[in-house]
Amino acid sequence: GAVVSQHPSRVICKSGTSVKIECRSLDFQATTMFWYRQFPKKSLMLMATSNEGSKATYEQGVEKDKFLINHASLTLSTLTVTSAHPEDSSFYICSAPDGERSSYNEQFFGPGTRLTVL
Amino acid sequence: RKEVEQDPGPFNVPEGATVAFNCTYSNSASQSFFWYRQDCRKEPKLLMSVYSSGNEDGRFTAQLNRASQYISLLIRDSKLSDSATYLCVVNVLYGNNRLAFGKGNQVVVIP
Repeated sequence: GAVVSQHPSRVICKSGTSVKIECRSLDFQATTMFWYRQFPKKSLMLMATSNEGSKATYEQGVEKDKFLINHASLTLSTLTVTSAHPEDSSFYICSAPDGERSSYNEQFFGPGTRLTVL
Repeated sequence: RKEVEQDPGPFNVPEGATVAFNCTYSNSASQSFFWYRQDCRKEPKLLMSVYSSGNEDGRFTAQLNRASQYISLLIRDSKLSDSATYLCVVNVLYGNNRLAFGKGNQVVVIP
């Protein structure tokens, strides 16, 4: 299947710092990517839809000024958690559909980034 | 009402047994349905798409009931390696690829 990478896989930071997470589609182009957050024993919650060349679309309750999304190219989307606090500690996962490879709306997930804010 | 609902379990299954579980979805206009598998602290991986007529992939069988708005997954001859959380995933609005996830059914296969 298609490959989506994320970097870093794990980050530990102090409260108040900003953390940038990268999501890359390695062998296909993605005009749209999705960012999810998953707390322990909870389901994945969609945070925002990242659109190449335009503004991201945020889900209700997600602060766009806190979770900055940039989709600068067809293979890269970044999520920046600004002024991170302990309650932002979570597993952040990106995904992207590969319309060339799958016509059934299948999405390919990155391996996730585990953020711990001290 | 949540978009996708699943009974989280856990479902403790003896090795070699059959286990089945359902999930329900709220949006009758949903078009695409999937089962994903998620191992502890890992990303979800597609297990199988669910087609209207139902489909089978080895020991796994998926069914869709549009009238009652539920999908099911059946695992036959359970293996220890089947221990994971199985996520029911629904494409909420056809065309924009927005997915809604259930909490997952946690399956623990016991030797």
